[in-house]
Amino acid sequence: DADVTQTPRNRITKTGKRIMLECSQTKGHDRMYWYRQDPGLGLRLIYYSFDVKDINKGEISDGYSVSRQAQAKFSLSLESAIPNQTALYFCATSRVGETQYFGPGTRLLVL
Amino acid sequence: AQKVTQAQTEISVVEKEDVTLDCVYETRDTTYYLFWYKQPPSGELVFLIRRNSFDEQNEISGRYSWNFQKSTSSFNFTITASQVVDSAVYFCALSAEYNFNKFYFGSGTKLNVKP
Repeated sequence: DADVTQTPRNRITKTGKRIMLECSQTKGHDRMYWYRQDPGLGLRLIYYSFDVKDINKGEISDGYSVSRQAQAKFSLSLESAIPNQTALYFCATSRVGETQYFGPGTRLLVL
Repeated sequence: AQKVTQAQTEISVVEKEDVTLDCVYETRDTTYYLFWYKQPPSGELVFLIRRNSFDEQNEISGRYSWNFQKSTSSFNFTITASQVVDSAVYFCALSAEYNFNKFYFGSGTKLNVKP
């Protein structure tokens, strides 16, 4: 079984809808991250969390919110989706200062 | 500020050719880590290597090798005798002492290996 899982893997939604992307990990890591990938821009950090009580904004947090429900679960929400949030979203986990391991990604299309 | 530049947007080679992917980084920190990830057409991100700033030894793993040069702030990746399965987007990333938890990714290099 995969160490980092993301659900759903693909999602189509309409402008203005609220959606949630979920991430779970079995690696026992305390750090979790959400990134988005756009063609030609690489990966950009949305939010990251050191533990359940610690949430930090990344470089592109506007329009997103997160929830760290448990050490192993980190959810990303789009409160009111807009078309320019169409992207590939990745969750990642790590121990402090170590390699980040990525989930399989969620392809989101906002119409 | 931290920054990673991958100037090669896309490279095409014929199978069995050697190819080098360039990565140039910027950081003022003396302690930092450099990474390479592979993203095949299926979309997942696969970790390839991690190198710390105090270890400038080149690394070889099968057909893959990495050349880390602090003097030129570069961490280049060479694939020897490329294969079609090497076709992917490759990302270089940096994390620095200022905040090891924040990774700075380059924009990626798409490698096309043709049979």
